Amino acid sequence: DVKVTQSSRYLVKRTGEKVFLECVQDMDHENMFWYRQDPGLGLRLIYFSYDVKMKEKGDIPEGYSVSREKKERFSLILESASTNQTSMYLCASSSHGLAGRAEAFFGQGTRLTVV
Amino acid sequence: LAKTTQPISMDSYEGQEVNITCSHNNIATNDYITWYQQFPSQGPRFIIQGYKTKVTNEVASLFIPADRKSSTLSLPRVSLSDTAVYYCLVALGGSQGNLIFGKGTKLSVKP
Repeated sequence: DVKVTQSSRYLVKRTGEKVFLECVQDMDHENMFWYRQDPGLGLRLIYFSYDVKMKEKGDIPEGYSVSREKKERFSLILESASTNQTSMYLCASSSHGLAGRAEAFFGQGTRLTVV
Repeated sequence: LAKTTQPISMDSYEGQEVNITCSHNNIATNDYITWYQQFPSQGPRFIIQGYKTKVTNEVASLFIPADRKSSTLSLPRVSLSDTAVYYCLVALGGSQGNLIFGKGTKLSVKP
């Protein structure tokens, strides 16, 4: 079974904290993605990575950064958390060469609350 | 990337066939059409994908007309458990690319 695992299901952080959201996949996928999901806005792409140490901005990268030091792990970093970053964060992965064709597998999500 | 437009919501009753149409007027030659399903508090999961004509699997059918400017996801005989948000994506079949989800269609199946 393909597995995309996000480190936390629920997280509460304080404004101004540096927050790390971790995602690990076990399918040797090249592509990894971070989304946030808010009511009425659907899934919005924050960043994606198509290879180790490679990253591309998605639609809403402001306030976020990412790290991909190993193929299986993709981290989302909130440098200084703010209340408007309270959201559900979803990580996904898919195989290389077929980013638009391959099935993307999602984690269960991390519900982050910034207080 | 081609932008997609789909209805915000749809209602149906158990046992009915549901068709959700997605328009993607700017689809490019290399683009594939993919549908995902998302239940509350879960990540989306892949349902079906196609390039042209008709694709069928154990879950759904996907109809794509010759001009490929739209596609229709067909769910036969829906049940309450099909209540979910359905996303239509159009993405490149090439080596790199991102996956852009829209707002999806919230399908509510009633008894």
